[in-house]
Amino acid sequence: QVQLQESGPGLVKPSQTLSLTCTVSGGSIRSGDYFWSWIRQPPGKGLEWIGYIYYSGSTYYDPSLKSRGTISLDTSKNQFSLSLNSVTAADTAVYYCARERRWGHHFDYWGQGALVTVSS
Amino acid sequence: QSALTQPASVSGSPGQSITISCTGTGTDVGGSDYVSWYQHHPGTAPKLIISDVSSRPSGVSSRFSGSKSGNTASLTISGLQAGDESDYYCSSYTSTNIRVFGTGTRVTVL
Repeated sequence: QVQLQESGPGLVKPSQTLSLTCTVSGGSIRSGDYFWSWIRQPPGKGLEWIGYIYYSGSTYYDPSLKSRGTISLDTSKNQFSLSLNSVTAADTAVYYCARERRWGHHFDYWGQGALVTVSS
Repeated sequence: QSALTQPASVSGSPGQSITISCTGTGTDVGGSDYVSWYQHHPGTAPKLIISDVSSRPSGVSSRFSGSKSGNTASLTISGLQAGDESDYYCSSYTSTNIRVFGTGTRVTVL
């Protein structure tokens, strides 16, 4: 059974960098069948797609992030990570990591989510 | 890329059927075979219930069904049960390689 688990600081100061890691178990992130994605949900709002990384290292991000986001892979640890710089209160959200099937583009496994609050 | 439009809330009595719409454009829902639906109880991981417009993953109840017409996708829940109370989100792959979610619908069982 595939499982994903987010980890990282729950509080980040404005203008600093938000960093989260997703640990994948029960499957390899080296598989070419999946994209490894980050999705967030601000309080009281809907889901927002952030971006993905492929096993080859190629990435794609939602343009609304204005190049603030970086997703990276650590295949030795079966993990992928999100960095979001110059954060503001608008980046406060529950952050989910998820596995997206390359064929079908649906998210079949999700982590439980990690709440990150941006506040001084 | 704007979020797909869903009704904020839909309600029904136990045993009834309800339908949630998800409206986009020709660059997402209308032009994509990759529309999916998720059930999300707050505080938990979202659960995939429909993929590829109308396919049900293994283990998902046959009471959930999906369809699409033009720029609007729909999720129908038949035989509504108390356990179906949740938030539901649609998602679409787009022509620009972006993934977009719907605004979300709160389903209430009366």
